[in-house]
Amino acid sequence: QVQLVESGGGAVQPGRSLRLSCAASGFTFSTYGMHWVRQAPGKGLEWVAGIWYDGRNTHYADSVRGRFTISRDNSKNTLYLEMNTLRAEDTAVYYCSREDDVWVTAGNLGVWGQGTTVTVSS
Amino acid sequence: QSALTQPASVSGSPGQSITISCTGTTSDVGGYKYVSWYQQHPGKAPKLMIYEVSNRPSGVSNRFSGSKSANTASLTISGLQAEDEADYYCSSYTSSTTWVFGGGTKLTVL
Repeated sequence: QVQLVESGGGAVQPGRSLRLSCAASGFTFSTYGMHWVRQAPGKGLEWVAGIWYDGRNTHYADSVRGRFTISRDNSKNTLYLEMNTLRAEDTAVYYCSREDDVWVTAGNLGVWGQGTTVTVSS
Repeated sequence: QSALTQPASVSGSPGQSITISCTGTTSDVGGYKYVSWYQQHPGKAPKLMIYEVSNRPSGVSNRFSGSKSANTASLTISGLQAEDEADYYCSSYTSSTTWVFGGGTKLTVL
């Protein structure tokens, strides 16, 4: 079945780095755009970053541009989010999500992982 | 990238219909067809309910419908059921080639 499994979350001090991974299975990963979406404790959803199916184009929210990098390895069916210079306000559950249709990057997030928690605190 | 504006809460009785609004600008909701809606139950991942303003993914009940007028998109749920009680979020593509979510609406089924 179609599945996304995030990993790499944890507790980290402000200013440090963390890399999240999202392992995809049950579909042809290389044909779908992918996104990261986060949710701070008790708050709403916030789109973080998106990447085209072939990795040639990436997009970032203003709040993370220059600090976070989204990437993918289609040979490993894995999506990544490299997070540098972490701040307390980056504390959230980070979800990996997949576009609902092949080839497009439209923000129709039809498949979601269970999320991984990142806590930034001294 | 200001969040889209949604009412904090709405409520309705079983069998009734409710509508949740999502207001943006000409740079997001009003300018593109890429408006989607998500349902999120407590402790769960979001679920896509409507995409591209008014399209339902396979498996989503036809009690859910979407529309858009100018800079405001709307999600209507008809024949309210207890299991519809959840948080609902709208999302839109923006002119900055990013995406933005609404602040979320808590639906209570009375």
